[in-house]
Amino acid sequence: DIQMTQSPSSLSASVGDRVTITCRASQSISTYLNWYQQKPGKAPKLLIYAASSLQSGVPSRFSGSGSGTDFTLTISSLQLEDCATYYCQKSYSVPWTFGQGTKVEIK
Amino acid sequence: EVQLVESGGGLVQPGGSLRLSCAASGFTFSNYWMSWVRQAPGKGLEWVAKIKQDGSEKDYVDSVKGRFTISRDNAKNSLYLQMNSLRADDTAVYFCARETEYTNNFDCWGQGTLVTVSS
Repeated sequence: DIQMTQSPSSLSASVGDRVTITCRASQSISTYLNWYQQKPGKAPKLLIYAASSLQSGVPSRFSGSGSGTDFTLTISSLQLEDCATYYCQKSYSVPWTFGQGTKVEIK
Repeated sequence: EVQLVESGGGLVQPGGSLRLSCAASGFTFSNYWMSWVRQAPGKGLEWVAKIKQDGSEKDYVDSVKGRFTISRDNAKNSLYLQMNSLRADDTAVYFCARETEYTNNFDCWGQGTLVTVSS
């Protein structure tokens, strides 16, 4: 099975900072990569699909890039409400696998 | 409004069984693949199972194969997960999720139902 590795596992940044989270697949998955945001006690929310497409209703400060094995989620200007855990998910072949998550905190 | 509402969670002893349900509304349920995703307390997300629109295809994560069965009733707009031979490591919040075709992402989630396996 293809494994997904996210880094870092956690980060702390200030409001307005640019934040980057990376996700690496153990083998090529083309652009079959999605990103989710999850706040405590809530269901995950789809942010980015197909590596770089912004889900409807998601603020434009979120963006995704990458293909093959290396992917990035970027928050261009961190806001208070972005405090959450972020997960990547591969959708190239079953099993659908998630990264271990990146917890984003506000300084 | 698109909505998914899970039910059926609870406390069960190791080796026991439980059936989860997910009621869908606000969209044409029969047009979508559906999945179950779980999250152990304090842990990350784990995809569990998926089912095709007409129920003809199903896939499972290895750890639940032979123990869990996913099914659906399109007439009732409902998704199910029959869980047998439950183990302590099955303890988790179970989410049902709508899966978009081709990009295979989860664009709609329920609020989750907690399953606790303990004696």
